[in-house]
Amino acid sequence: EDQVTQSPEALRLQEGESSSLNCSYTVSGLRGLFWYRQDPGKGPEFLFTLYSAGEEKEKERLKATLTKKESFLHITAPKPEDSATYLCAVQAAGTYKYIFGTGTRLKVLA
Amino acid sequence: GAGVSQSPSNKVTEKGKDVELRCDPISGHTALYWYRQRLGQGLEFLIYFQGNSAPDKSGLPSDRFSAERTGESVSTLTIQRTQQEDSAVYLCASSSRLAGVYGETQYFGPGTRLLVL
Repeated sequence: EDQVTQSPEALRLQEGESSSLNCSYTVSGLRGLFWYRQDPGKGPEFLFTLYSAGEEKEKERLKATLTKKESFLHITAPKPEDSATYLCAVQAAGTYKYIFGTGTRLKVLA
Repeated sequence: GAGVSQSPSNKVTEKGKDVELRCDPISGHTALYWYRQRLGQGLEFLIYFQGNSAPDKSGLPSDRFSAERTGESVSTLTIQRTQQEDSAVYLCASSSRLAGVYGETQYFGPGTRLLVL
């Protein structure tokens, strides 16, 4: 069964304290892995799409990486405005459905 | 428009009433999805539309839920005889249909927050 697991469920960081969020997946043929940021009361905001193992993408303080079993979202020198829930999703080969993890709630303290 | 839009942004209704939620996808996006997100939980797939193909309704939780889409444009999600457990954020997303092996990126609307009293 296709599955996405995110860890940790919640993470508190001091401003400037770098860390990584994990997204482990089990899927029969990966078509794409997607990272989103969701602020309270808002819809998910697209961050990255990764298609194959070894691929990396960066945006400001965020960097997403992908292996055959998991993806990491690295946050370098985070700021309080990076506080949000980060969602990971995968789309498997031969399907149009997306499987979402339950997210990591990130809190960055000033 | 530049992104996916949804209306209303908030809806408060009484138990037993019907509600209709609207989604305007990104222009040119052929695929449209509805999700439900309960407080503190992940996204629950409800229904999928792709062009003029028959929709995948496998995620609809009961026959009180239905959805329609006009061609490749607006979609409405209707909940009849609302119950308190229907309280949630209803999210709409759209994507363009790409040929080949690569996954398509979904773009989400801001959601409709539904509260059933």
